Amino acid sequence: KQEVTQIPAALSVPEGENLVLNCSFTDSAIYNLQWFRQDPGKGLTSLLLIQSSQREQTSGRLNASLDKSSGRSTLYIAASQPGDSATYLCAQTDSWGKLQFGAGTQVVVTP
Amino acid sequence: DAGVTQSPTHLIKTRGQQVTLRCSPKSGHDTVSWYQQALGQGPQFIFQYYEEEERQRGNFPDRFSGHQFPNYSSELNVNALLLGDSALYLCASSPGSDTQYFGPGTRLTVL
Repeated sequence: KQEVTQIPAALSVPEGENLVLNCSFTDSAIYNLQWFRQDPGKGLTSLLLIQSSQREQTSGRLNASLDKSSGRSTLYIAASQPGDSATYLCAQTDSWGKLQFGAGTQVVVTP
Repeated sequence: DAGVTQSPTHLIKTRGQQVTLRCSPKSGHDTVSWYQQALGQGPQFIFQYYEEEERQRGNFPDRFSGHQFPNYSSELNVNALLLGDSALYLCASSPGSDTQYFGPGTRLTVL
């Protein structure tokens, strides 16, 4: 059974500190990996998509890496801000776009 | 360009009733997927529609059915509601297997 795991389940950091969020997946034939942000009770906002042929993607303060051989992806958020407080979800994608999600990491950035 | 829209925002039903949720994809997106998100968990894939046909289906009973219209909008129907069907229902659209864009979701409460 293919699974996606996110550790830790929750994380609290002071403002300005860098955030490191981990995602593990079991499907070595992963097509894409996508990171999302979800605010409480809201829909998902796409942050970064890494294609299986890529090693990383960057957008502003966000950087995501992908290591297919170890089945891991890491999301780095530099210089965290209180507005970064949210739940972050990773999902592996098949060739038709079906997403398989982890349970998410709940992040709190304290001022 | 409007993003993915869903209606209604909130819905309260009683056990045994039937419900229909609606989704309009982003302009130009021909693939629509539906997800169920229970509290504190990652979204679970229900099914995906492409060219008005169900292309993939997750591990959900036949009580969950759907439809895609020629304009790519979609409906999710759930029959014989159970208490366990209470969740946030998310619709996502994409131009194929590329980045998935999510709507704000419909919060369904079954009493």
